[in-house]
Amino acid sequence: SQQGEEDPQALSIQEGENATMNCSYKTSINNLQWYRQNSGRGLVHLILIRSNEREKHSGRLRVTLDTSKKSSSLLITASRAADTASYFCATDAGETSGSRLTFGEGTQLTVNP
Amino acid sequence: NAGVTQTPKFQVLKTGQSMTLQCAQDMNHEYMSWYRQDPGMGLRLIHYSVGAGITDQGEVPNGYNVSRSTTEDFPLRLLSAAPSQTSVYFCASSYSNGPTVSSYEQYFGPGTRLTVT
Repeated sequence: SQQGEEDPQALSIQEGENATMNCSYKTSINNLQWYRQNSGRGLVHLILIRSNEREKHSGRLRVTLDTSKKSSSLLITASRAADTASYFCATDAGETSGSRLTFGEGTQLTVNP
Repeated sequence: NAGVTQTPKFQVLKTGQSMTLQCAQDMNHEYMSWYRQDPGMGLRLIHYSVGAGITDQGEVPNGYNVSRSTTEDFPLRLLSAAPSQTSVYFCASSYSNGPTVSSYEQYFGPGTRLTVT
């Protein structure tokens, strides 16, 4: 079963607006990661937040983590058409967890020019 | 660095055929994984390896075999292809920052699109 669940499943916004995607998970985690996937391509790592962190920034990306609610959010500010992609959260929970990321089903973001 | 490479990009098999999907990385990463992605879904882990000679099963291992004889290569074998194995297959590799809180950012290959008829 999927550990992470993204919400919403699809999001359509205008260029310049902010986009917020949410991820909920079920078990305790070591870290949570966000990935982007352009159509027909592999996934690209965006940002990692550890379980003892609450907020992290990278350029136009802001990620928050609330371990008490088992949830995370990804905010993309001042969106661009090039941000159009699917966004996945992935959780790392296992002992030998280097390869055991569990992915959610993704949010399809469309940024209209 | 080429990163993570996968071959072939596309493959069509008939039910019952076998084949090997190739994956190689040149970043000296310890960890390698195979995922499958079905339409509208996230990635599901098939098999993974924490180092040469060590492999383990993921969430959906049935019908697939792996081996890890070198750090660089992690081939995925389909033993007897079935239509349910029609999917896009991604290989990924990752490293560890050490014994304390570690980062496991994964580097993905471009994928192999497999159709089984």
